[in-house]
Amino acid sequence: GAGVSQTPSNKVTEKGKYVELRCDPISGHTALYWYRQSLGQGPEFLIYFQGTGAADDSGLPNDRFFAVRPEGSVSTLKIQRTERGDSAVYLCASSITGGKNYGYTFGSGTRLTVV
Amino acid sequence: GNSVTQMEGPVTLSEEAFLTINCTYTATGYPSLFWYVQYPGEGLQLLLKATKADDKGSNKGFEATYRKETTSFHLEKGSVQVSDSAVYFCALSDGPSGSRLTFGEGTQLTVNP
Repeated sequence: GAGVSQTPSNKVTEKGKYVELRCDPISGHTALYWYRQSLGQGPEFLIYFQGTGAADDSGLPNDRFFAVRPEGSVSTLKIQRTERGDSAVYLCASSITGGKNYGYTFGSGTRLTVV
Repeated sequence: GNSVTQMEGPVTLSEEAFLTINCTYTATGYPSLFWYVQYPGEGLQLLLKATKADDKGSNKGFEATYRKETTSFHLEKGSVQVSDSAVYFCALSDGPSGSRLTFGEGTQLTVNP
C-alpha cells in the first residue's frame, strides 16, 4: 500500500481482556517495528522484525506482550490480561531494510484505552 | 544506555521568528541522528537525518548538524510559519544493528500569526 496502515485506529477494552493490534506495512518493506507512545512522551521501542523473525524484542515490557509476523508482511501485536498502564498509542513503522541509515515510515497508530 | 535529551517545551513563537530546538545525546559508537515531526492529528514523519559527524540534514527550511564534539543535533529554522506548529522529536539509532530508535520526549512548537 501507499503507507503503513494500522487497525483499529481506536480500541477501548476492559482491564483483563485480550487485544490484538494490526499493522500492514508498506509493500516490499522487510523491516517492521512496533513502538508505544504514552501521553506527552516520545515513542518507546517494543520489537523489530526482519522478515518473519523478531530480530530484537528487547523492548517488550513483559510476557503479556507478544508480536508475530508470520508471512513477513502484516504484523499483529497481542496483549494479554490488559492493565490500565497499557493505555497508550501503539505505533507501527516499516523501512525498506533494517539498518541505522534509514528513516522509518510510521503509521498513524492505534490508541488503546484500558478501562 | 543510549539516551536523547531535548529542551523543555512548549515553545511559542511569532511567525517569521528564528527557531532553535536543542537536542543532546548520549551514545556508544556513532549513531545516526534524526528529527521527526508530528503534526496535529497525523502520524510521525521523518523531517531530516544525519548519519555521521559534521553531516548537515535539511528539509523544508529546517536544518540540523551532527556535532560529535558536543554530542548535539540542534534543530534550526530561520523563519517559522504557522504551519510548522507541531511536536518535534529528536532520535538516534540504537540497538545491536542500529535499527531501533531512541527518542527524546518531544518539544511542542506553537507558531502564532
